[in-house]
Amino acid sequence: NAGVTQTPKFQVLKTGQSMTLQCAQDMNHNSMYWYRQDPGMGLRLIYYSASEGTTDKGEVPNGYNVSRLNKREFSLRLESAAPSQTSVYFCASRGTGELFFGEGSRLTVL
Amino acid sequence: QQQVKQSPQSLIVQKGGIPIINCAYENTAFDYFPWYQQFPGKGPALLIAIRPDVSEKKEGRFTISFNKSAKQFSLHIMDSQPGDSATYFCAAITRSWDNAGNMLTFGGGTRLMVKP
Repeated sequence: NAGVTQTPKFQVLKTGQSMTLQCAQDMNHNSMYWYRQDPGMGLRLIYYSASEGTTDKGEVPNGYNVSRLNKREFSLRLESAAPSQTSVYFCASRGTGELFFGEGSRLTVL
Repeated sequence: QQQVKQSPQSLIVQKGGIPIINCAYENTAFDYFPWYQQFPGKGPALLIAIRPDVSEKKEGRFTISFNKSAKQFSLHIMDSQPGDSATYFCAAITRSWDNAGNMLTFGGGTRLMVKP
């Protein structure tokens, strides 16, 4: 019973490089989310997808893009990474109840 | 502007102590207040949640106290254990929770260490 799976778990990028964080859930949830976690800031919503085929901006979307590939998968892309994007990224999914989070992806941008 | 303010940022207690984590909110439309527990290297997981029509909710050793007039709520951990060492987040959201775009607003987190 995997729940929400994120890859990669760790990544180091140089400024200006691009990368995609992958997320998949096996709970048949409609809604999926991407958060970033920074010390003292809690979790802040980057983008979300209410259902397959739809995506919307959250609180801190600048510098990111997302794709809801199908009901299971929701990816987050950094087109040109910046040091300010150094963070831990969490994917989450939700059916009609609570949020379920993945284990996180720690990204460092040098 | 952080709509949910959480304190303290870190807390150290001895085993058996009762750590208390406090949160204050501004938006009176919030009507659902969950707490999440996060262990190192893991994602947050729902611990306990309360709605403002009750002043207290207990689940095992974890208790939420809610003060609607003061717009504050707190988490108490009774008989704390080293295994409770984790980061705790409070959060708040409005009743339109079924709308996926309705965002949970998180507090800044409290890192709790329970010493043996």
